[in-house]
Amino acid sequence: QQQVKQSPQSLIVQKGGISIINCAYENTAFDYFPWYQQFPGKGPALLIAIRPDVSEKKEGRFTISFNKSAKQFSLHIMDSQPGDSATYFCAASGGGGSNYKLTFGKGTLLTVNP
Amino acid sequence: SQTIHQWPATLVQPVGSPLSLECTVEGTSNPNLYWYRQAAGRGLQLLFYSVGIGQISSEVPQNLSASRPQDRQFILSSKKLLLSDSGFYLCAWSVNPISNSEQFFGPGTRLTVL
Repeated sequence: QQQVKQSPQSLIVQKGGISIINCAYENTAFDYFPWYQQFPGKGPALLIAIRPDVSEKKEGRFTISFNKSAKQFSLHIMDSQPGDSATYFCAASGGGGSNYKLTFGKGTLLTVNP
Repeated sequence: SQTIHQWPATLVQPVGSPLSLECTVEGTSNPNLYWYRQAAGRGLQLLFYSVGIGQISSEVPQNLSASRPQDRQFILSSKKLLLSDSGFYLCAWSVNPISNSEQFFGPGTRLTVL
């Protein structure tokens, strides 16, 4: 019940294209859904996050779409650039006593070709 | 502003040797602290978390232990390293008490056990 399933495992996109990464969760108590970006040899950094009171959040080229009824959320990277090449992790938390723990997806390795 | 430090950055240790990794946070008080392990090409596995000095919760059984001797210091230890302990160790912190679950990661320690 604490799983977050992320797909695809890897993704190759051409420069200027749209990158889409999907996540699904099971625990309906989750109420915070962040996306992290990790470059090789570095710690993950928060990219964008959403709460279930909105269906979409946009920050620059990055957009989270959230579907509460389907228990799914996705990251869209518009006009993908080679500098976006990194591993992306979705995560979720919530549910009273364990709301300080994040449950992470297994990650998506994004490669943006020039 | 808040800063999180980890050291050492890289470490090569023989099997059976002890381990001590340190994490410190600056610019905040009474943070929640976390230790994660990331195997090569894999996701983030939560090892330990702490909501206060001396309060440690373990997420997975292993030969590792954690301690929090000071408010903003978190230490990961082992008495005898195994080959399977190799990986990228990440420390993270979040605000306590929780208003959201955003976690901030350190730069990580790359551990190789030979």
